[in-house]
Amino acid sequence: AQSVAQPEDQVNVAEGNPLTVKCTYSVSGNPYLFWYAQYPNRGLQFLLKYITGDNLVKGSYGFEAEFNKSQTSFHLKKPSALVSDSALYFCAVRVHTGGFKTIFGAGTRLFVKA
Amino acid sequence: DAGITQSQRHKVTETGTPVTLRCHQTENHRYMYWYRQDPGHGLRLIHYSYGVKDTDKGEVSDGYSVSRSKTEDFLLTLESATSSQTSVYFCAISESRADGYTFGSGTRLTVV
Repeated sequence: AQSVAQPEDQVNVAEGNPLTVKCTYSVSGNPYLFWYAQYPNRGLQFLLKYITGDNLVKGSYGFEAEFNKSQTSFHLKKPSALVSDSALYFCAVRVHTGGFKTIFGAGTRLFVKA
Repeated sequence: DAGITQSQRHKVTETGTPVTLRCHQTENHRYMYWYRQDPGHGLRLIHYSYGVKDTDKGEVSDGYSVSRSKTEDFLLTLESATSSQTSVYFCAISESRADGYTFGSGTRLTVV
């Protein structure tokens, strides 16, 4: 079965420290990979995507993500966390075998402490 | 979010009644989606549309139907609401299959 795993329900970091939110997937083919953030006051927002090319992709609000094909991972990163980064983060994988289908992870809640 | 509107933020309905949620977009995007969000499950696709009158089922489509008679509107109908359909419903749009989604602000539906 195709699946997306976000192994951490919650991640806590101090403001100014780097953050990583992990995502691994098990799907067939070469999927498209996405990260979204759900903020209390800004709703669900698209952050970045990987389709092909450079394994490090940059997105909104200073976030970046690293694609690792051998480990089937797509971890979200930011060099210096802000309190305003506190949100629920979703990894999503779009597969295109037998039609397109997007699978979301269960989400990881990020808390950034001042 | 700019360009996509879900008409109701909160709705309470009774078990057994039909309910329709409306999603309206002004972006002229081809693809529209309905998702439900439940704790521990992330977002799960109910139905999606790839054009006017072109729709397909998602992973949790039982008990739901959709219609898209115009590019800008995508309706989700709960044919006979049940308590298991209490959830937060999000509409999303995308211009192509390779694009990220733009989400609506969501509707919290409670079935009592």
